[in-house]
Amino acid sequence: AQSVTQLDSQVPVFEEAPVELRCNYSSSVSVYLFWYVQYPNQGLQLLLKYLSGSTLVKGINGFEAEFNKSQTSFHLRKPSVHISDTAEYFCAVIPNSGYSTLTFGKGTMLLVSP
Amino acid sequence: DTGVSQNPRHKITKRGQNVTFRCDPISEHNRLYWYRQTLGQGPEFLTYFQNEAQLEKSRLLSDRFSAERPKGSFSTLEIQRTEQGDSAMYLCASSPGTSGGAAYNEQFFGPGTRLTVL
Repeated sequence: AQSVTQLDSQVPVFEEAPVELRCNYSSSVSVYLFWYVQYPNQGLQLLLKYLSGSTLVKGINGFEAEFNKSQTSFHLRKPSVHISDTAEYFCAVIPNSGYSTLTFGKGTMLLVSP
Repeated sequence: DTGVSQNPRHKITKRGQNVTFRCDPISEHNRLYWYRQTLGQGPEFLTYFQNEAQLEKSRLLSDRFSAERPKGSFSTLEIQRTEQGDSAMYLCASSPGTSGGAAYNEQFFGPGTRLTVL
């Protein structure tokens, strides 16, 4: 079984400041990792994913994440946030063996203020 | 629009009533998933289909819940005798998923159906 821990339920930040949203996972098998964003009353949109290769992954809207296998982490970063980045962010994992169930963390609410 | 669509977007019902939600996946996606998201939580897996076959059901899917994908295209999720604890956002996702490999695990989500049970 897999589990995902998002260490911060809420992260307040000022516009144009950098931000890091933390994600740690636990799994007995190799996994793929994802970050999704959810705007109010909407579904989930994929920000970025790590499947293999370079551990630094770049996604949409200027976000990036780094996979650290030894620390079982996949933290999300953005060097300069905008008001429009205010949303809920979910980290998720899925075994790379073919079993298709995503396991999500509880989410981190990013609150960007002027 | 070629994304995943869900109807209705919102449903308010009284406790004890039956409700049915519909999900239309991305065309030619073989796998279809249902998740439930309660307030302050991440989505939790309910069930998934490979074409018309229901391959996995979570223990969260009580006997009041039933899902179908009769022709391997759209899917319905029915909740019988709704309870206030069923109030949640129900998310549908689809993926190509015909065989193993990284690309086939990527799931695309619909906008969700928000259920409120009074």
